[in-house]
Amino acid sequence: NAGVTQTPKFRILKIGQSMTLQCAQDMNHNYMYWYRQDPGMGLKLIYYSVGAGITDKGEVPNGYNVSRSTTEDFPLRLELAAPSQTSVYFCASTSSGNTQYFGPGTRLTVL
Amino acid sequence: TQLLEQSPQFLSIQEGENLTVYCNSSSVFSSLQWYRQEPGEGPVLLVTVVTGGEVKKLKRLTFQFGDARKDSSLHITAAQPGDTGLYLCAVFYGNKLVFGAGTILRVKS
Repeated sequence: NAGVTQTPKFRILKIGQSMTLQCAQDMNHNYMYWYRQDPGMGLKLIYYSVGAGITDKGEVPNGYNVSRSTTEDFPLRLELAAPSQTSVYFCASTSSGNTQYFGPGTRLTVL
Repeated sequence: TQLLEQSPQFLSIQEGENLTVYCNSSSVFSSLQWYRQEPGEGPVLLVTVVTGGEVKKLKRLTFQFGDARKDSSLHITAAQPGDTGLYLCAVFYGNKLVFGAGTILRVKS
């Protein structure tokens, strides 16, 4: 099992550019999450999904969008990148209230 | 106001010392999780505590859930450089896992 995979690992964007952070899991988990982590800090929830076709906002959703067309994939879209979105982004999945499995993260810099 | 308050924010100790980090809240939870995150990696679950007063041990790590299920502590005995990392507590809040801000632990050899 690959677990939770994220691409890309690193990315530098210019202000106003857009990009999609990819996340996939092969554990057939219904629940998937996107977090951002600023240096030396905990994780803040951006969006989450409890199953294909269902998404909901977390603590810090502004500037982001998500979709969940399949159980496996949960991409995160940044439409107009801003310097405040410079962070490390983690995707995670779980099967209903149990262990959350995290991907390796995507380090994004917006200049 | 954060749902989970972790203290201290940062701890730097020598190899062999003991330490305790805390996770506090004014809310009651059915369970609480502790994660460790090493630099450049995602968090990894260490333990889940579910019963008030519960104590769980994982080698040199001892986790305790408060009697009222509002707080938890993590005690490390004889810390080693490999214990260095960010320690996060987390609780399920509906369908969401909410994290504290974490304690950064640095163990010097």
